[in-house]
Amino acid sequence: KQEVTQIPAALSVPEGENLVLNCSFTDSAIYNLQWFRQDPGKGLTSLLLIQSSQREQTSGRLNASLDKSSGRSTLYIAASQPGDSATYLCGSGGGADGLTFGKGTHLIIQP
Amino acid sequence: NAGVTQTPKFRVLKTGQSMTLLCAQDMNHEYMYWYRQDPGMGLRLIHYSVGEGTTAKGEVPDGYNVSRLKKQNFLLGLESAAPSQTSVYFCASSKDLSSNQPQHFGDGTRLSIL
Repeated sequence: KQEVTQIPAALSVPEGENLVLNCSFTDSAIYNLQWFRQDPGKGLTSLLLIQSSQREQTSGRLNASLDKSSGRSTLYIAASQPGDSATYLCGSGGGADGLTFGKGTHLIIQP
Repeated sequence: NAGVTQTPKFRVLKTGQSMTLLCAQDMNHEYMYWYRQDPGMGLRLIHYSVGEGTTAKGEVPDGYNVSRLKKQNFLLGLESAAPSQTSVYFCASSKDLSSNQPQHFGDGTRLSIL
């Protein structure tokens, strides 16, 4: 059974810092890995998807990497802003039976 | 651009009552999913469907039933609600199993069982 762990569980940094969120998974036989953002009381917004054959994806200030051999993915946020404050979730896709999620990293960017 | 729409957004039930949560997607997606999100537990898969007329159990299916009579709709039913089913329920859909196809999520249904 796939298990996904996200570290740290919570993070608070000053505005402008670059930061890295970590996601690890136990089964490397994944189709893809998705990073989501969730604001309080809201649904999940897809940020980036990395296919199993890819090493990284970029969107604006966000960069996600994937290392299947080590079972790790990272989400890099450059020049953080208060609007980046949210919970970030990673989900590994292994097939028809949906995504396996980590518990998330609660991020606070201090103005 | 409706995407994935969930109704209702909020509901309070008494123990033993029944209800149905509706998920509708307008993207012609084959795959649909129901997850629940609980504090400290993350999102867990309840049931899923790989196409019209099909359903399958996920990680936490007990106490729930589902139906996919139409491709665009995926219904989640609680026959006899229990306080342990208090949660936020999310529906998601994806086009197919290609590795470049993301899952799209609805805004959730917040359900409280008293």
